[in-house]
Amino acid sequence: ETGVTQSPTHLIKTRGQQVTLRCSSQSGHNTVSWYQQALGQGPQFIFQYYREEENGRGNFPPRFSGLQFPNYSSELNVNALELDDSALYLCASSLGQLNTGELFFGEGSRLTVL
Amino acid sequence: DAKTTQPPSMDCAEGRAANLPCNHSTISGNEYVYWYRQIHSQGPQYIIHGLKNNETNEMASLIITEDRKSSTLILPHATLRDTAVYYCIVRVDGGATNKLIFGTGTLLAVQP
Repeated sequence: ETGVTQSPTHLIKTRGQQVTLRCSSQSGHNTVSWYQQALGQGPQFIFQYYREEENGRGNFPPRFSGLQFPNYSSELNVNALELDDSALYLCASSLGQLNTGELFFGEGSRLTVL
Repeated sequence: DAKTTQPPSMDCAEGRAANLPCNHSTISGNEYVYWYRQIHSQGPQYIIHGLKNNETNEMASLIITEDRKSSTLILPHATLRDTAVYYCIVRVDGGATNKLIFGTGTLLAVQP
């Protein structure tokens, strides 16, 4: 286990709804990044938060947004859900000032959009 | 796009060494080679990384060719629990983010 916890583990939403996914990072880790993994594909980088600021973003529209809190936990919010948003959403934590590729992933939140 | 090429699948007999190849012919001098694996329905797990020299830890060994255009991840004694998708990733460390670019990886099936 990595010490990164995500909730909920599974959820079902309908098109147009909004969803919030949550992540608690490993103790001492001040950087959180989020990934989307569609079925049969590798994870895709959504964005990264360091010290409560977004400091990197992948090719995702603005309806994907996030927050990081003073305790380094994080939320991923997706507005106006589309069918293609159905995926496993992964949170990963790390020590931000090093910015190495050694990340600690949670088990993910599986979102189904109907 | 991912800068690596991996075979889509491989089989390995339980107890034997699993050798997973990765091509990264366009790798830059300051890019590291990282390996992750993802067991079904779990998050990716870091295995090992290296720059030029071969590396070994409790999970695996990483062999990088002298020209750095390819590498091999070696699981010395594969078990059924090593069945997973293995991702080879190249990236520069110390940049603005810790972003990883995943390809589709190699599905390693360890057979009893």
